[in-house]
Amino acid sequence: NAGVTQTPKFQVLKTGQSMTLQCAQDMNHNSMYWYRQDPGMGLRLIYYSASEGTTDKGEVPNGYNVSRLNKREFSLRLESAAPSQTSVYFCASRIRGGEETQYFGPGTRLLVL
Amino acid sequence: DQQVKQNSPSLSVQEGRISILNCDYTNSMFDYFLWYKKYPAEGPTFLISISSIKDKNEDGRFTVFLNKSAKHLSLHIVPSQPGDSAVYFCAASASPFNDYKLSFGAGTTVTVRA
Repeated sequence: NAGVTQTPKFQVLKTGQSMTLQCAQDMNHNSMYWYRQDPGMGLRLIYYSASEGTTDKGEVPNGYNVSRLNKREFSLRLESAAPSQTSVYFCASRIRGGEETQYFGPGTRLLVL
Repeated sequence: DQQVKQNSPSLSVQEGRISILNCDYTNSMFDYFLWYKKYPAEGPTFLISISSIKDKNEDGRFTVFLNKSAKHLSLHIVPSQPGDSAVYFCAASASPFNDYKLSFGAGTTVTVRA
């Protein structure tokens, strides 16, 4: 049971390049989330998927797209990376219903030059 | 506008003493609160939580207190140990009203001195 896994661990992009961050969970959780963490700002929600087949915007969705590929996988895509997207990205999942605890992956550190 | 605030960016405490971390919130719809702990280069890990129907929840060395009238919660760690050195995030949820999304504070870095 690996929990929440993320790939890659670290990536350097040039401005304008695109990439997809991958996230998978093996806990049979229904809901999945993408956050970014910037110094002094805590974690901010980018997009989330309350259940398979649905996705919704969070607090800072501009410049990102997501795909809930199946129950296990939730990917985050940057179509045209900008230096302002330099951050650490965390994926999280939550089981269902009234359970509010989210479980996080190890993160992807992204540097956009 | 940040709805969850941790006004102390850092805290230094001696091993064996109590660590007290504070968190304030502005959204009166929040009804569930969580604390996460984060080590460098790792993801946040769940530590302890409290529902708004309670004013205290205890789990081993960790106790969370909730004061709804003041919109304030605190995390007490007793006794503090070197392994407690980490960043601690306070988070809040308005449950079904917002799809269980979490709002996070900026974090408090705790350093436990030997």
